Amino acid sequence: EVQLVQSGAEVKKPGESLKISCKGSGYTFANNWIGWVRQMPGKGLEWMGIIYPGKSDTRYSPSFRGHVTISADTSIRTVYLQWGSLQASDTAMYYCVRTGLVRGEGDDWGQGTLVTVSS
Amino acid sequence: DIVMTQSPDSLAVSLGERATISCKSSQSVLYSSNNKNYLAWYQHKRGQPPKLLISWASTRESGVPDRFSGSGSGTDFTLTISSLQAEDVAIYYCHQYYTTPPWAFGQGTKVEIK
Repeated sequence: EVQLVQSGAEVKKPGESLKISCKGSGYTFANNWIGWVRQMPGKGLEWMGIIYPGKSDTRYSPSFRGHVTISADTSIRTVYLQWGSLQASDTAMYYCVRTGLVRGEGDDWGQGTLVTVSS
Repeated sequence: DIVMTQSPDSLAVSLGERATISCKSSQSVLYSSNNKNYLAWYQHKRGQPPKLLISWASTRESGVPDRFSGSGSGTDFTLTISSLQAEDVAIYYCHQYYTTPPWAFGQGTKVEIK
């Protein structure tokens, strides 16, 4: 069974840094795209970026490039989403998703990590 | 970049009645070499991660009730719930995966009970 387990909720202040994680199991970690999707309060789903862990091929949506960093550690089957300096507008639910859509394999989602940025 | 536009933004339907959601892409998501539309539909319920309902514009995922159906090709797509049930209250998103990732969702359509 494929599982993606995300790290727990975070409460941070503006300007602080943060790294959240997503640990995969039940599939070949290195050979599957894993992405991050944001949902701001009351808003829709937005792709932030995606990584292919086996090649460290990382791509960002234009709206997020330069503001977040996506990385992976294949030795512990974990993908990360990192901020160097949080803003209040980063308050959102963040989901990781293993996507096999293009291969006709569907996808699998993490449970979500709620990030709250408030002074 | 491909932009996905859904309509309506919200709709209220009586239990047992049909719900129809439209999705238009700013360019075709039909790949001519395999004649497949790279279009998916998701259901997102409060407090849960999104759930993939339909891929390739019309292929239901395993376990998805057959009251959900997808149709369309090229740039115009439709998600139909043939007989709305209480558990179908959710926000529905179309999603293209035609381009290189990351991809794009539509803005979402909120489905409620009238």
